[in-house]
Order: sequence, then structure tokens, then C-alpha cells
Amino acid sequence: SQQGEEDPQALSIQEGENATMNCSYKTSINNLQWYRQNSGRGLVHLILIRSNEREKHSGRLRVTLDTSKKSSSLLITASRAADTASYFCATPPDPLFGNEKLTFGTGTRLTIIP
Amino acid sequence: NAGVTQTPKFRVLKTGQSMTLLCAQDMNHEYMYWYRQDPGMGLRLIHYSVGEGTTAKGEVPDGYNVSRLKKQNFLLGLESAAPSQTSVYFCASSYRPRGQGAHPHTGELFFGEGSRLTVL
Repeated sequence: SQQGEEDPQALSIQEGENATMNCSYKTSINNLQWYRQNSGRGLVHLILIRSNEREKHSGRLRVTLDTSKKSSSLLITASRAADTASYFCATPPDPLFGNEKLTFGTGTRLTIIP
Repeated sequence: NAGVTQTPKFRVLKTGQSMTLLCAQDMNHEYMYWYRQDPGMGLRLIHYSVGEGTTAKGEVPDGYNVSRLKKQNFLLGLESAAPSQTSVYFCASSYRPRGQGAHPHTGELFFGEGSRLTVL
């Protein structure tokens, strides 16, 4: 069963616009990670946010975490054609709550239109 | 450094045949994982290992076996392939997490490029 679920499933925007995708999860976590996957390639780690953090930045990426709503968002500012990819959230287990594996959502497919 | 290398990248099998996927990492990571990725299903964990000589089942272990005889290698075996095992397989590795707890799955994962397997 999926722990994290991304929304929307697909998103198309014009180059230069900002892209926002969301992740909702079910059980308590100790951190949440975002990954990118280019077509036909492996996943690449983007950013990790811990449960005691509310916001984190990395270059053009901004991640927020709301543990009360069990949700996270990934914002990509000033999008570029190279940002076209699928984006996944991943929720590692919290041993206190018995979730024994790192689980991935089904991803958001982002297309940047030049 | 090559990172995480998977071989082969593509393979076509007939139902009932066996094969082994090899994953090698040169980052001296303690933990290694095998995932499968299917359309609309995201990534699902098959088996994982927290150290040389140890393995554990993930979410979808049936029909697969694994071995971690050397720290840098993690093998995924299909003893009798079935069409339902047609998928893209990804190997990943991670360092032993530090700081906030020491549970095996709290680290950043480094992925290989995938192995596309088709079972006819």
C-alpha cells in the first residue's frame, strides 16, 4: 500500500512559471524526501526535510512540511525545460510507528513547455 | 566513482526461466535495496539489506531471492520467471543513517539506472 501520494498526477506549465506538487502521507514520519526521475533513468535525490522542520530550500527548490496535515509540497521556481521529469515523495519509516520500509508515491509527471 | 551500477540493462526471458540481476556500488554504503517500478504503481520494495550477509523482505518479495555476499554487491534472483515480473528493476544504496535515529531507511538513496525485464 502507498504511504505517500502525490498530487496532481500530471502537470504542464510554461517555461519560467513556478510548479507546485503536493504529497500526502498516512502515518507519522521522521522525515520526508523528494526525488526526481528523468524518463528512462534512475531516481535522483533532491531534498530531505525532517519532521521538526517546516520549510527547506535548495537552489530553485522549496519544500514545506505540515505534520499536522500529513502533507508536503515541492515548489520549483522559474521552471526550465530540463525540469521535465517525474517527481516522487518518499516517506521513511518511523520505528515508533512500525512502518518498516521506505515507500514512494506514484509520482507527479511534470512537463515544462518551452 | 561509478555510483550504483546495474547489469544487465535489458533482458527478455521466457516464462519459467531463471536469471540474476547484479547491483554493484562503490560508495561503501551499508544498505542496499531492490525496487520494482510498474506504471501507476510507483516503486515497490522487493528486498533490502542492511549489511553484508543480511537480507530482509520488503513489500513484494514473493518470486524473488537476494544475496549480499559482499558489501558492494546485491544480487536479485528470479528462480522461475512469470509474466507478472515484467517490470523495471531499480537497485539503490544508502549510507548508515546518523543523527535522528538509526533506522535502516532514513538515509538518502542513490539509484542505479534500472534494468528492464520482459517475461514472455
